[in-house]
Amino acid sequence: GQNIDQPTEMTATEGAIVQINCTYQTSGFNGLFWYQQHAGEAPTFLSYNVLDGLEEKGRFSSFLSRSKGYSYLLLKELQMKDSASYLCAVRGSGGYQKVTFGIGTKLQVIP
Amino acid sequence: DAGITQSPRHKVTETGTPVTLRCHQTENHRYMYWYRQDPGHGLRLIHYSYGVKDTDKGEVSDGYSVSRSKTEDFLLTLESATSSQTSVYFCAISDGGKSNQPQHFGDGTRLSIL
Repeated sequence: GQNIDQPTEMTATEGAIVQINCTYQTSGFNGLFWYQQHAGEAPTFLSYNVLDGLEEKGRFSSFLSRSKGYSYLLLKELQMKDSASYLCAVRGSGGYQKVTFGIGTKLQVIP
Repeated sequence: DAGITQSPRHKVTETGTPVTLRCHQTENHRYMYWYRQDPGHGLRLIHYSYGVKDTDKGEVSDGYSVSRSKTEDFLLTLESATSSQTSVYFCAISDGGKSNQPQHFGDGTRLSIL
């Protein structure tokens, strides 16, 4: 089975940097995804990590340590529109492209 | 945006009635999924499909059935709806050609069972 842990809620200030952590325990590992989900909307893909290290994509970066079962999503220069839930999802060894999602971290950006 | 359409977008029905949700894709992707999303649980996989007429159960499949007779359509059926199946249902698709292919989600169906 798979277990994914993320903080439930976070608050950060506009213009600041915030780090959202995700720890996981899986039977096999074939990649980790981060999604953004605004309230009442569908999740949208942000990033993918399968090797250790940092992947940068504009204001968003994602880091992975496979040995520690740990990832984080880093959001820089926060904007009000970044207020959303951020979902960590892990693809295990079950095949057929299945992933397991964490509960998500609800981020509130305040002025 | 990935071409995924879910219908209906909202539905209110009574306990014991059958309900069918439809997911239609125009991307010709091999894999299709049905999830439900509830507060405190996140997205949970109900059923998925890895090809026409090829489906399998997810972690919360009890009370649900699926069918995929064409590449573009994946149907989710609640044979006899219960109040515990009140939820937001998301369909997702993925290509699967490469390991880094993410899932892309439809806009969701908000289902209320009274």
